[in-house]
Amino acid sequence: AQTVTQSQPEMSVQEAETVTLSCTYDTSESDYYLFWYKQPPSRQMILVIRQEAYKQQNATENRFSVNFQKAAKSFSLKISDSQLGDAAMYFCARYNNNDMRFGAGTRLTVKP
Amino acid sequence: EAGVAQSPRYKIIEKRQSVAFWCNPISGHATLYWYQQILGQGPKLLIQFQNNGVVDDSQLPKDRFSAERLKGVDSTLKIQPAKLEDSAVYLCASSLSQRVGYTFGSGTRLTVV
Repeated sequence: AQTVTQSQPEMSVQEAETVTLSCTYDTSESDYYLFWYKQPPSRQMILVIRQEAYKQQNATENRFSVNFQKAAKSFSLKISDSQLGDAAMYFCARYNNNDMRFGAGTRLTVKP
Repeated sequence: EAGVAQSPRYKIIEKRQSVAFWCNPISGHATLYWYQQILGQGPKLLIQFQNNGVVDDSQLPKDRFSAERLKGVDSTLKIQPAKLEDSAVYLCASSLSQRVGYTFGSGTRLTVV
């Protein structure tokens, strides 16, 4: 099975600091898309950032950026200037061939 | 735009009972998904609709789960009879294009006792 692996079940960061969440994935396709979703206690999954595999430039969205290493099949999320509202579960996901697959998630705690 | 609406928000039932969940996607989104999220895990696709046709239901336990999307708009997911292991959050999502990502509802937390 083509899987998505998040090796960090839990992470913690001090407010205003930077944290990086790891994700690796498996695919035999050359055309695919990668996503990071945030799931706060409200349970609603919120799209944080997306990356097209054919683009070499790393995606950025305000304080959120990714480090996309296509050869290594790695897709990490960097959160800069962490805020209390960033505390949530974060899910990495890979889409190709009509199939969106999610990792098991990383729980991020932000300490004031 | 209005988001993906789901109801109920919580449901507690006894094993062997039946339950139904409802989802209303974002207007104009042709594709609708039902996901099951067991505590501590990522969401797992149960069924995908394109308009009112099923695209993928390979992971739907068809002996007890059923879903429909009449008229290609809102959808219902039913479990009959429920088992203890069905306790999970059931998420509905819709998309205009899968490549830009999905919009999720707030989910229904099902507890089977």
